[in-house]
Amino acid sequence: EVQLVESGGGLVQPGRSLRLSCTASGFIFGDYAMSWVRQAPGKGLEWVGFIRSKTYGGTTEYAAPVKGRFTISRDDSKSIAYLQMNSLKTEDTAVYFCTRLSSSWHDYWGQGTLVTVSS
Amino acid sequence: QSALTQPASVSGSPGQSITISCTGTSSDVGSYNLVSWFQHHPGKAPILMIYEVSKRPSGVSNRFSGSKSGNTASLTISGLQAEDETDYYCCSYAVGSSYVFGTGTKVTVL
Repeated sequence: EVQLVESGGGLVQPGRSLRLSCTASGFIFGDYAMSWVRQAPGKGLEWVGFIRSKTYGGTTEYAAPVKGRFTISRDDSKSIAYLQMNSLKTEDTAVYFCTRLSSSWHDYWGQGTLVTVSS
Repeated sequence: QSALTQPASVSGSPGQSITISCTGTSSDVGSYNLVSWFQHHPGKAPILMIYEVSKRPSGVSNRFSGSKSGNTASLTISGLQAEDETDYYCCSYAVGSSYVFGTGTKVTVL
C-alpha cells in the first residue's frame, strides 16, 4: 500500500526557514517524481513544485510564487522527499501536501502538514 | 499561471447527474491531454478520480467520468450519492513543466 506521510510543519516567524519531510512507503521511491502542493486556509489547491527521479536527472521545477525561496530535494536511500522553505511569508501559510507523480499526474497524496507563518 | 476556472458550487439530487467544468487556456488544458480530477474531503488526503482527461484509476466508481473539449475539461458524476458531497479539483499539466489546479467546486447533494 502506497503511503506518504508529511512532517515538519509548525509555527514560524516571517523571514525564517522551515524544512518539511515526506516519508514514502509501499513503492520503489527512486522510480518516481515527487511533488508538493499546498492549500491556504479557505482556498484551493496550489502546485508548489516537483523533483524528477534520478533517471530523469533529479531536476526540479517550481511555481512562480516560491521560485528562489523553496528547494525540493530527495534522499532515495531513505525514501524521503524534502521541501526547504526559506524567507517565509505570511502568504505561505497553508497545509502542505506531498504527492507521488505517476507519469504526469498526482496519483497518491499524503494527509498534509500545516505551516503557519506569523509573528 | 492563473488557476483553472471551476464553478464554486454544483448541486443535484440523489440519482441525478451533475457536471463540473474546468476552463483553462491553450497553455494548459488546451495543449495537453493531462487533465486530472481529485475528490477532497477537508482534512483528508485528496483522491485521484480521473487522469489523462478520462481514465479512471482502479477502485474508482464508474459513476465518475471525464472529458475535454478545447480549453475546457469536465467531470461528470452520474447517479449522485450522498457520499459524493465534498470538494472537487481539476489539475492540468502546463507549459514550462508546471501544473495548475482549478479553483475548486463544492458538490452538494440535495
